Amino acid sequence: GEDVEQSLFLSVREGDSSVINCTYTDSSSTYLYWYKQEPGAGLQLLTYIFSNMDMKQDQRLTVLLNKKDKHLSLRIADTQTGDSAIYFCAESDSLTGTYKYIFGTGTRLKVLA
Amino acid sequence: NAGVTQTPKFRVLKTGQSMTLLCAQDMNHEYMYWYRQDPGMGLRLIHYSVGEGTTAKGEVPDGYNVSRLKKQNFLLGLESAAPSQTSVYFCASSYGSSGRFTYEQYFGPGTRLTVT
Repeated sequence: GEDVEQSLFLSVREGDSSVINCTYTDSSSTYLYWYKQEPGAGLQLLTYIFSNMDMKQDQRLTVLLNKKDKHLSLRIADTQTGDSAIYFCAESDSLTGTYKYIFGTGTRLKVLA
Repeated sequence: NAGVTQTPKFRVLKTGQSMTLLCAQDMNHEYMYWYRQDPGMGLRLIHYSVGEGTTAKGEVPDGYNVSRLKKQNFLLGLESAAPSQTSVYFCASSYGSSGRFTYEQYFGPGTRLTVT
């Protein structure tokens, strides 16, 4: 079945850029998402990208999609301590239903002051 | 708007006991979902519903049942709890085919369940 993989941990210094990576196997992925989970809370959508796009920028966030390599990344510029959280990559496709997500394992980002 | 709420927030069960987790949303969303979150495994879909009165199995449905009698509520039941069901359970909802951006899922705060 489809799989989405992420590294489990990332540690950066405040003010640096963070890059969180994700690989997926589903070649029919239509939408790819980044969700953020703060401690003790549910997930919240950060940004998403359609599969026909290469890049999307939203303030401090840049999403890059390499469809050939099935690789998605999230870059956070000027990382702040408030960015410490778990970041989930997810994908959905129009074949099984765009509302049904496959989530990655999540990457725990720790921002050091 | 309260968004998506879940009841209870915490629960400890003994093996073999039953319980129901309640999810409620006030956004008039068509679709609702139950996930479980386990360390190193991300979120896995248990069951979902695409409308009032409908339910469908997700990736890990065994040991769980669901009901969607009212559009705003989605109940997750454990008939005979097992230690393997110790997890954090999240409910989510999304718009259906209403013409809006239908793909964002809105999550509740989670229920932490321990089965001893």
